[in-house]
Amino acid sequence: DAGVTQSPTHLIKTRGQQVTLRCSPKSGHDTVSWYQQALGQGPQFIFQYYEEEERQRGNFPDRFSGHQFPNYSSELNVNALLLGDSALYLCASSLPGLAGGRSTDTQYFGPGTRLTVL
Amino acid sequence: DAKTTQPPSMDCAEGRAANLPCNHSTISGNEYVYWYRQIHSQGPQYIIHGLKNNETNEMASLIITEDRKSSTLILPHATLRDTAVYYCIVRATQGGSEKLVFGKGTKLTVNP
Repeated sequence: DAGVTQSPTHLIKTRGQQVTLRCSPKSGHDTVSWYQQALGQGPQFIFQYYEEEERQRGNFPDRFSGHQFPNYSSELNVNALLLGDSALYLCASSLPGLAGGRSTDTQYFGPGTRLTVL
Repeated sequence: DAKTTQPPSMDCAEGRAANLPCNHSTISGNEYVYWYRQIHSQGPQYIIHGLKNNETNEMASLIITEDRKSSTLILPHATLRDTAVYYCIVRATQGGSEKLVFGKGTKLTVNP
């Protein structure tokens, strides 16, 4: 059973450029959430996709956008990169719902993409 | 903002139990307590979650106080590979998929 996968592992960009990060959810999962983790901090929620629509969004500017495909995989796009966008970008997948009366909505994380902006 | 308070760091001897506390005094009735851990530069790993009853799985045990205002994650026999940052998160889960709000967590160091 494949877990959450992300690509690329590492990426180096310069200020002003654009970047696209990719995520494939855990088998059977249909919801993808993206998080940004700056050095020394806990992950911060960017947004979540379900049924190819953005369902929730954190406090991030419009430079951050995403997409979900019919196979549930997802992309995170960041335009006009700033030095402060340097971080570990994490993708988490989940399957909302109940099984036997107990929530099964646990988010499972991928290994992350380390983005460095120079 | 995170709804939990955790000590910034803890130490534990290898082979001994590690008890990681978490305060969540403002927890609501529909909020679960989740624990994740993050080994350096890797993605967070799900450990366990619970609502009001104590929970146990192959990784750890979760003890939630009767008033639900605090909890303790127990790693029964800590190993060097358990060295990580441990995050306690309270989160509503009702068939939807609420975001996770991470605090700074507890840096657990397991010593030989």
